[in-house]
Amino acid sequence: EPEVTQTPSHQVTQMGQEVILRCVPISNHLYFYWYRQILGQKVEFLVSFYNNEISEKSEIFDDRFSVERPDGSNFTLKIRSTKLEDSAMYFCAREAAGETQYFGPGTRLTVL
Amino acid sequence: GNSVTQMEGPVTLSEEAFLTINCTYTATGYPSLFWYVQYPGEGLQLLLKATKADDKGSNKGFEATYRKETTSFHLEKGSVQVSDSAVYFCALKNAGGTSYGKLTFGQGTILTVHP
Repeated sequence: EPEVTQTPSHQVTQMGQEVILRCVPISNHLYFYWYRQILGQKVEFLVSFYNNEISEKSEIFDDRFSVERPDGSNFTLKIRSTKLEDSAMYFCAREAAGETQYFGPGTRLTVL
Repeated sequence: GNSVTQMEGPVTLSEEAFLTINCTYTATGYPSLFWYVQYPGEGLQLLLKATKADDKGSNKGFEATYRKETTSFHLEKGSVQVSDSAVYFCALKNAGGTSYGKLTFGQGTILTVHP
């Protein structure tokens, strides 16, 4: 299966700043997901994205979070006004057919 | 709602020992079940899956059988290796009317295998 790539691998930001996490490049996939994993804890669902629209989101995905496909291939997660508790590993996943989600290597976000 | 419960870790074994990591779930309908593995410093990799009752998923010597009567999907391996040291996550997807949907993960089990 083609890999899912994510950039950057590590992002450090000051509290209150905005960050953009990217999944690149992706094509011919219908469903995209963002998950996060706070250090030592379980992987949690954030949002699913289908046909250029959010199809489902969790309680974690508040109004500071947004997703988009700005150029038809990249899939981005934007977090505005970052908080200390946003520090986590963020994983992008894609799903083309069948029932298997394939994950990227993740972006480690550190909010200081 | 959906939930997944894994056995408490960490699990420490000697090489060639038998491994069992228990996983039970709560879900409506007929979920698909997965085991993902996370090696140190890496992302999640699909290890195996089962999409209906009594299906057995297998890969790299690991096996798990979808048991609807006990709502379980225990992971087993007959002889572990040092390279199996990783975090193992049980997960389910409740597809509903489609095959797409979010994954619900268990808390993960840390496995350490010593030579």
